[in-house]
Amino acid sequence: GAGVSQTPSNKVTEKGKYVELRCDPISGHTALYWYRQSLGQGPEFLIYFQGTGAADDSGLPNDRFFAVRPEGSVSTLKIQRTERGDSAVYLCASSLGRDGTGELFFGEGSRLTVL
Amino acid sequence: AQKVTQAQTEISVVEKEDVTLDCVYETRDTTYYLFWYKQPPSGELVFLIRRNSFDEQNEISGRYSWNFQKSTSSFNFTITASQVVDSAVYFCALNSGGYQKVTFGTGTKLQVIP
Repeated sequence: GAGVSQTPSNKVTEKGKYVELRCDPISGHTALYWYRQSLGQGPEFLIYFQGTGAADDSGLPNDRFFAVRPEGSVSTLKIQRTERGDSAVYLCASSLGRDGTGELFFGEGSRLTVL
Repeated sequence: AQKVTQAQTEISVVEKEDVTLDCVYETRDTTYYLFWYKQPPSGELVFLIRRNSFDEQNEISGRYSWNFQKSTSSFNFTITASQVVDSAVYFCALNSGGYQKVTFGTGTKLQVIP
């Protein structure tokens, strides 16, 4: 596709459930980022992939959060044992750059609501 | 560490007024990049501009202009003759040398009233 695609656009789940959020970046973009945006806040960095490897996962809040990008394209953010505090919009972005200095192209986000 | 502060939480202006959005950043690195992004109500962040730390020349693009001042660690954004379509949340962001993550400020919500 032309832009970054994220699915689902909305996800409502119950506390304790497992959730997967998918990101399909722009073709050819080697860098992929996950951010989390809570209401009224700026995007908060979670993890950065360069190719298949997680180059920086320092933003993942705890071990319930995990992300993969097995073939260097599509990425999946996985959240185990969801908590109400996980409710937020999860944004994916991709970039041509290898060093975080380039323009980020964002998807429309996946809004997660944990009841 | 890197930090971005956008002290203005919300701003309302009447259409055709000029408005400046403030951004102050912190970094210990000498090489860094600054960005502005726009987030309209639809939610998708849109890139507006990138500046590197070695280029302090101000930039103008149509009704938009940016004032980068290293002496005050500021990268302010001015919209002249504001329009209703400018209503959005605007984020300033920073990526400094050695880090691969981009750090965003908390955003300034701009409302342009017709």
